[in-house]
Amino acid sequence: NAGVTQTPKFRVLKTGQSMTLLCAQDMNHEYMYWYRQDPGMGLRLIHYSVGEGTTAKGEVPDGYNVSRLKKQNFLLGLESAAPSQTSVYFCASSSGTRDTGELFFGEGSRLTVL
Amino acid sequence: SQELEQSPQSLIVQEGKNLTINCTSSKTLYGLYWYKQKYGEGLIFLMMLQKGGEEKSHEKITAKLDEKKQQSSLHITASQPSHAGTYLCGADNSGGSNYKLTFGKGTLLTVNP
Repeated sequence: NAGVTQTPKFRVLKTGQSMTLLCAQDMNHEYMYWYRQDPGMGLRLIHYSVGEGTTAKGEVPDGYNVSRLKKQNFLLGLESAAPSQTSVYFCASSSGTRDTGELFFGEGSRLTVL
Repeated sequence: SQELEQSPQSLIVQEGKNLTINCTSSKTLYGLYWYKQKYGEGLIFLMMLQKGGEEKSHEKITAKLDEKKQQSSLHITASQPSHAGTYLCGADNSGGSNYKLTFGKGTLLTVNP
């Protein structure tokens, strides 16, 4: 059972470089999310999607872009990485219905920007 | 101000002791979710509470949602080293479409053998 898979798991970038984090889920979930986790700040929502072809801003969207071209994939892009974007990034998915709507999380992607 | 407050921030207990972690929302809760995270790993879902007064248990962990639906507690009975980790509460405050969760900063639990 794959669930939610994130790639890559580790990445080191130089300031100004770009990269894309890929999230894939095999549960046919409508909703997908990108969070970042920083010490003392907890989990903060970056962007999310309520279905294929849709995206919406979360709490901390600046400096990130996302795309949901296929239902099973949600991509998080950094066009010009900054040291402030050093963090652990978590992707999650859910059915979006409140009765069974818990979020299923990936194992995280640790990004360091030098 | 933080929309979702967890307390305490950290907790050290002796194996076998009981403990409680609290989660308070500044907004009405339409759902409250408890997760556990081990260092360097993803979040594991524990329980979901939706109705005021609701209580759920799984093994030695019990979670309650208060009647006014703005506070939840997570209680561990007879703690074990396997309970160690960070516990996070997640809140559904949206009450409508665009379902998403806001998380607290977490409570780091250490259980000493």
